[in-house]
Amino acid sequence: DAGVIQSPRHEVTEMGQEVTLRCKPISGHNSLFWYRQTMMRGLELLIYFNNNVPIDDSGMPEDRFSAKMPNASFSTLKIQPSEPRDSAVYFCASSKDRFLEQYFGPGTRLTVT
Amino acid sequence: SQQGEEDPQALSIQEGENATMNCSYKTSINNLQWYRQNSGRGLVHLILIRSNEREKHSGRLRVTLDTSKKSSSLLITASRAADTASYFCAAEGQFYFGTGTSLTVIP
Repeated sequence: DAGVIQSPRHEVTEMGQEVTLRCKPISGHNSLFWYRQTMMRGLELLIYFNNNVPIDDSGMPEDRFSAKMPNASFSTLKIQPSEPRDSAVYFCASSKDRFLEQYFGPGTRLTVT
Repeated sequence: SQQGEEDPQALSIQEGENATMNCSYKTSINNLQWYRQNSGRGLVHLILIRSNEREKHSGRLRVTLDTSKKSSSLLITASRAADTASYFCAAEGQFYFGTGTSLTVIP
């Protein structure tokens, strides 16, 4: 298996623009997680899905952030409008069961200027 | 509440020495996991220890779990420069990784 795939790997955008991050989980995994990592706050959970249904989105910073999982093999995280404080590395991870080990993608490094 | 708080925040040792990192959590769990993150990469799962286990080994890694103290430790024996990374713990089902322990192994 190719592992968790994320795209793009790097994104540079201007404040106010819409940003869409994409994730393809490992086939057969039922849970998908979106995280954000910064030096100051470490690795934070934004949202996770179980069987394509959002279970916990309490980590989503504000209404500018939205996530979807239209099917078992694809998820998006959208930021609209983006702000400089959104600059971070965003990771997607998947697991067979939300209580077991997670497999992380390589991350998307987002820079908002 | 935050789970999986690592200690110390940073650790620097000489190659060949042992490295010990600690983790504390707040609520009852069924398992706890340790992960490693190399610079610029995603986290990689290292080991999972269940609540009915007190100690678990995997190669040069040894993990202990004390459910009465709600704490866990990760010991890396005979460290190598390639062990330089950040290490995170995650209490079952909590999904909070915090800032981890940054380990530097000096050749």
